[in-house]
Amino acid sequence: DSGVTQTPKHLITATGQRVTLRCSPRSGDLSVYWYQQSLDQGLQFLIHYYNGEERAKGNILERFSAQQFPDLHSELNLSSLELGDSALYFCASSVGVSSYNSPLHFGNGTRLTVT
Amino acid sequence: GENVEQHPSTLSVQEGDSAVIKCTYSDSASNYFPWYKQELGKRPQLIIDIRSNVGEKKDQRIAVTLNKTAKHFSLHITETQPEDSAVYFCAASNMFNSGYALNFGKGTSLLVTP
Repeated sequence: DSGVTQTPKHLITATGQRVTLRCSPRSGDLSVYWYQQSLDQGLQFLIHYYNGEERAKGNILERFSAQQFPDLHSELNLSSLELGDSALYFCASSVGVSSYNSPLHFGNGTRLTVT
Repeated sequence: GENVEQHPSTLSVQEGDSAVIKCTYSDSASNYFPWYKQELGKRPQLIIDIRSNVGEKKDQRIAVTLNKTAKHFSLHITETQPEDSAVYFCAASNMFNSGYALNFGKGTSLLVTP
């Protein structure tokens, strides 16, 4: 168990809908990263938060947004869902702001299916 | 941005043989290179990492080598066992590209047959 908790484990919804994925980092970790894993694209970096502030953005669509709350948990909001958004969404956490000094630990992921 | 390419996409070896997975990266500023193992239906788990100030690192049956000049790094698994079967991802990161977020290769599916 990595100590990173993601809920829900599975989510099935229809096109056009909006969903929220939740991540609780390991105790003591200040960084939260979100990744999208689809079969043909591997692990794609979406966004990184450190201690409540956005630090970096990757290939995150404008329909997606995220935030990190004062208690350090993070939420990823996906709206106007399309079939192509179906994927496994991972959250990873680390102690520091940089992966160089503090390795990333992944949660078990949320599998999103858009029908 | 950083582009990480990984080869091969699939690899099949017999138990006891060695397996080698290679990655190249595009951004010469990258200085952290971890490898993750992902078993079917599970989360990626860090198995070994290397920083740009060293050329090789070893942990039991697993070793990673880094060639900064050529911008490539490799994962070597010796004496493979069936439980090594999984998808392996390489990644690269640096401060100037996505603020040290990991940029992953597309993965290598390793199958170790008894």
